[in-house]
Amino acid sequence: AQSVTQLDSHVSVSEGTPVLLRCNYSSSYSPSLFWYVQHPNKGLQLLLKYTSAATLVKGINGFEAEFKKSETSFHLTKPSAHMSDAAEYFCVVSDQTGTYKYIFGTGTRLKVLA
Amino acid sequence: EAQVTQNPRYLITVTGKKLTVTCSQNMNHEYMSWYRQDPGLGLRQIYYSMNVEVTDKGDVPEGYKVSRKEKRNFPLILESPSPNQTSLYFCASSFLRDKQYFGPGTRLTVT
Repeated sequence: AQSVTQLDSHVSVSEGTPVLLRCNYSSSYSPSLFWYVQHPNKGLQLLLKYTSAATLVKGINGFEAEFKKSETSFHLTKPSAHMSDAAEYFCVVSDQTGTYKYIFGTGTRLKVLA
Repeated sequence: EAQVTQNPRYLITVTGKKLTVTCSQNMNHEYMSWYRQDPGLGLRQIYYSMNVEVTDKGDVPEGYKVSRKEKRNFPLILESPSPNQTSLYFCASSFLRDKQYFGPGTRLTVT
């Protein structure tokens, strides 16, 4: 069965410092993995996706994530936080075979301090 | 413009009064899905559809119905809404196993 665990419900960083949002997954098959961002009172926007090509995935707005099969992790990083990065971030898994479900993590709220 | 539309955006209703939230996409996607978002729980999948006339339950299907008679439309039906269905609802569409495009959300309050 698929599952996703976002290890931190809240993360605070200072502007200009690195961001690390952690995600662990469980999947019976080779997964597709996604990170989405949701700004306050807005819809969801895709940041990046992994679908069994390169393990280091680059996304929009300077974000990237590394797929580590041995650790079943897909952590999201950014070298330097900007005030506009303050939002909620969701890690999502979908099996490549089996069901066609998408499983969302419970989200990590990122706060950026001036 | 590629988009997923939902209507209504806001709805306040009373317990037991049947309602339908519409969802439409213009990208010819096979896959469509409904989610509800509740604080601290993230998004949970209610139902999904892989193509016309093919639907399946997500993780929280109780109290909801869907139908997929046309590729572009995927309405969510609450036959007898209850207060525990008060939530923010999102419709999404995609090609199979690809990134999803989300609608703007429907905020439902059941009193």
